Amino acid sequence: ETVLTQSPDTLSLTPGERATLSCRASQSVSSRNLAWYQQKLGQAPRLLIYGAASRATGIPDRFSGSGSGTDFTLTISRLEPEDFAVYYCQQSGSSPRTFGQGTKVEIK
Amino acid sequence: QVHLVQSGTEVKEPGASVKVSCKTSGYTFIAYYIHWVRQAPGQGLEWMGWINPNSGDTNYAQKFQGRVTMTRDTSISTAYIDLNSLTSDDTALYFCTRASRATPEHDYWGQGTLLTVSS
Repeated sequence: ETVLTQSPDTLSLTPGERATLSCRASQSVSSRNLAWYQQKLGQAPRLLIYGAASRATGIPDRFSGSGSGTDFTLTISRLEPEDFAVYYCQQSGSSPRTFGQGTKVEIK
Repeated sequence: QVHLVQSGTEVKEPGASVKVSCKTSGYTFIAYYIHWVRQAPGQGLEWMGWINPNSGDTNYAQKFQGRVTMTRDTSISTAYIDLNSLTSDDTALYFCTRASRATPEHDYWGQGTLLTVSS
């Protein structure tokens, strides 16, 4: 099973700041099979980034993804109030599909 | 537009079974696999498995093997998950979501079905 470890667990920032979230895989993941999701309390996850670096439909360009192999990053260039949420990475290249444990981006 | 609409809240006793539905619309049902993901209270996302609506083939996470069954009814574009021998550890929000071999990411999700297992 491919274990995804996200860091940090919690990121305390103010609106306007830059957020950098990390996702490290226990074995190599094809970029094609790495996605990022945003989840707000009580809601379904929302696809942000697919293929490690492609923004999903309707996702603002302040969200960007990068990385390859075992190290991937989600960057939010300037935090807006609606960006405070939990973020998950997921790999779909091997079964079982696995998610990272999540990074909570909270208001400082 | 694409919609995945799930059945409502369930409360079950330990040892019971539950069946949750996921009715889809706005796209060709057999073109996308339906995956099930659950989230225990205050916890992260856990992938349970998928069904290929075209063939009926399934792939379950080993953790749920023997206890989960995923089915579909193509005539009404609906997928189902059946989970038996419920325990309190199965208390969670259950989501259906779609993906395909060509587009492996989950671009649309159901709203979630809350299952509470309690005596």
